[in-house]
Amino acid sequence: DTGVSQDPRHKITKRGQNVTFRCDPISEHNRLYWYRQTLGQGPEFLTYFQNEAQLEKSRLLSDRFSAERPKGSFSTLEIQRTEQGDSAMYLCASSSQGNQPQHFGDGTRLSIL
Amino acid sequence: AQSVTQLDSQVPVFEEAPVELRCNYSSSVSVYLFWYVQYPNQGLQLLLKYLSGSTLVKSINGFEAEFNKSQTSFHLRKPSVHISDTAEYFCAVISDTGRRALTFGSGTRLQVQP
Repeated sequence: DTGVSQDPRHKITKRGQNVTFRCDPISEHNRLYWYRQTLGQGPEFLTYFQNEAQLEKSRLLSDRFSAERPKGSFSTLEIQRTEQGDSAMYLCASSSQGNQPQHFGDGTRLSIL
Repeated sequence: AQSVTQLDSQVPVFEEAPVELRCNYSSSVSVYLFWYVQYPNQGLQLLLKYLSGSTLVKSINGFEAEFNKSQTSFHLRKPSVHISDTAEYFCAVISDTGRRALTFGSGTRLQVQP
């Protein structure tokens, strides 16, 4: 068990640019989640995949956000035309079937200049 | 929909003293409950979970939490804290309706002082 891996750890970009983050879940986990965490707050759910199917999306996931998990393994989260308000920590988590807990990666911290 | 309230944003405590971090939740359906800990610049680590069975759950590093359905609470306790316990603690719930999204509280910063 190598844990959930996220890349990059930090991303600094100018407003209006596109960014893409990658998440590699724990290998035997078929469920993958994206959350966003702003300073001083708990994480907020963005979206959830079971295998390659995106089964749930939060209202927080505006049309500038898109997530994929093409082969049911790693996932990418893309933000187009970034805005100041997108500055946050983006967390990925994975879990197995049933009600087993979600295991989190160390996150990607996005800073918009 | 469910919500989680962590009443204390910060809890300062001296080393070796007991501590309780409070968590209350609101939900119209049955839930599963979790405590996660977050150290600076890191992701969340699972500390405790309540899925079913005994309402008192314990971690390997001395923390425990008790699910109280009538009080809709899941308070976290430790009888004697260490400097290394300094971190942000998050309570979270997930419903048993099939939705997979965790709902988190806003966190409690535990500051252990020597």
